[in-house]
Amino acid sequence: DQQVKQNSPSLSVQEGRISILNCDYTNSMFDYFLWYKKYPAEGPTFLISISSIKDKNEDGRFTVFLNKSAKHLSLHIVPSQPGDSAVYFCAASGAGSNYKLTFGKGTLLTVNP
Amino acid sequence: GAGVSQSPRYKVAKRGQDVALRCDPISGHVSLFWYQQALGQGPEFLTYFQNEAQLDKSGLPSDRFFAERPEGSVSTLKIQRTQQEDSAVYLCASSLRQDNEQFFGPGTRLTVL
Repeated sequence: DQQVKQNSPSLSVQEGRISILNCDYTNSMFDYFLWYKKYPAEGPTFLISISSIKDKNEDGRFTVFLNKSAKHLSLHIVPSQPGDSAVYFCAASGAGSNYKLTFGKGTLLTVNP
Repeated sequence: GAGVSQSPRYKVAKRGQDVALRCDPISGHVSLFWYQQALGQGPEFLTYFQNEAQLDKSGLPSDRFFAERPEGSVSTLKIQRTQQEDSAVYLCASSLRQDNEQFFGPGTRLTVL
C-alpha cells in the first residue's frame, strides 16, 4: 500500500514555463514533507521541504504548497530551466518517526529548450 | 567538503553469493540510513543508526540482510545468500541529527544473476 503517491510518471514543459509536480499521501500522521531531485547515477539531492503547520514554502524558483485537508502537495518550479530536468521524488516523515522517509515513485521532469 | 560516498558503485553477484556494501558518511554526521531502491520505485527505508547504535531495522526485508556501524562512522550493509529480488540500488544517507536533512550517496547498483 503506497502511502505517498506521485501519479504522473513524467512531465514535459517548455523552458521558461511553470512546472507543477504533484504528490498525494494517505497517512494523516505525516507532518513533514520534502522534495528531492535525482540525476542519473547520482543520489537524491534535497530540494525543499514544508512542515504541516505551513501551507506554503518558497525558495527561489521553487515553491511547495501543502493542502492538508486534501492530503496533497505540489512543487512549482518557475521559470523552468533545462538543468531542472531530473526525477523528482516526494517524501514524507512523521507518523511516529521523524527520520524515516517514505518516498513516492518519482516524476521524470523534462524541460525542453 | 566530501559528501557521502559508497563502494562499490556497481556489484554483480551470482545467486547465493554474499555481498558487502560500504558507506562512508559525511564526517561528524551522527545519523546514518540505508534505503533500497528497486527499478521504477522510490527509495524504501531499510535501517537507521545513531552513532554505532542500530535504532531501527524495521525495513530490512529478511534476516539475510544485516547492517553494522561498529565505530559510529563507516557502515556496511551485508546481504547473505543473495536472491534475484535483491537486485536494486542501495542508497546510504547521513544527517547531522536524526531530524535534519538527509544527504544521500550515489548508491550501489546490485545485480543478482
